[in-house]
Amino acid sequence: SQQGEEDPQALSIQEGENATMNCSYKTSINNLQWYRQNSGRGLVHLILIRSNEREKHSGRLRVTLDTSKKSSSLLITASRAADTASYFCATAINNNDMRFGAGTRLTVKP
Amino acid sequence: GAGVSQSPSNKVTEKGKDVELRCDPISGHTALYWYRQSLGQGLEFLIYFQGNSAPDKSGLPSDRFSAERTGGSVSTLTIQRTQQEDSAVYLCASSLYGQGARQPQHFGDGTRLSIL
Repeated sequence: SQQGEEDPQALSIQEGENATMNCSYKTSINNLQWYRQNSGRGLVHLILIRSNEREKHSGRLRVTLDTSKKSSSLLITASRAADTASYFCATAINNNDMRFGAGTRLTVKP
Repeated sequence: GAGVSQSPSNKVTEKGKDVELRCDPISGHTALYWYRQSLGQGLEFLIYFQGNSAPDKSGLPSDRFSAERTGGSVSTLTIQRTQQEDSAVYLCASSLYGQGARQPQHFGDGTRLSIL
């Protein structure tokens, strides 16, 4: 069963704009990870945020985590056409168990 | 260094046939996962291997699905008597240590399986 649910399902923006994607989950977690998937390829890890962290940055990426609301957001600033992909959140419930959401399909128009 | 390698990249077979999908994880990675991704969907966990421990098979959808990992490295996912609903992309991932869910996973590009 899926744990994380991304919102929106699809997002279309112009190059240079910021993109915000949200993830909600149901049970307590150890950490939350965001991945990107280009069409026809495997997933690429973007960022991991632990349950005791509230915000994390990596280049143009900013991830927040609110454990009280069981939600996370991924912000991509100054988007580029190359950012076009599907973005997934994955929550770690225990040592072995990671659950992925259905993803947000981001389209960045040049 | 090489990433996670999966073969074949595409497989088309007739309903009822058996198929084997192969995954070569990153050298030295002890944890290995198999996932299934249906068109436009998220990932469905299938099975997890960690070192020499018994695998976590809790995600396998039926007894037609099985997997093994030989020598703690290469893994093979076998689907017997394939059905049309088995059509999907099968993704393999590995991570460096145990407790794979606490670390980034490195994915292969998957095997796209089509059952006619």
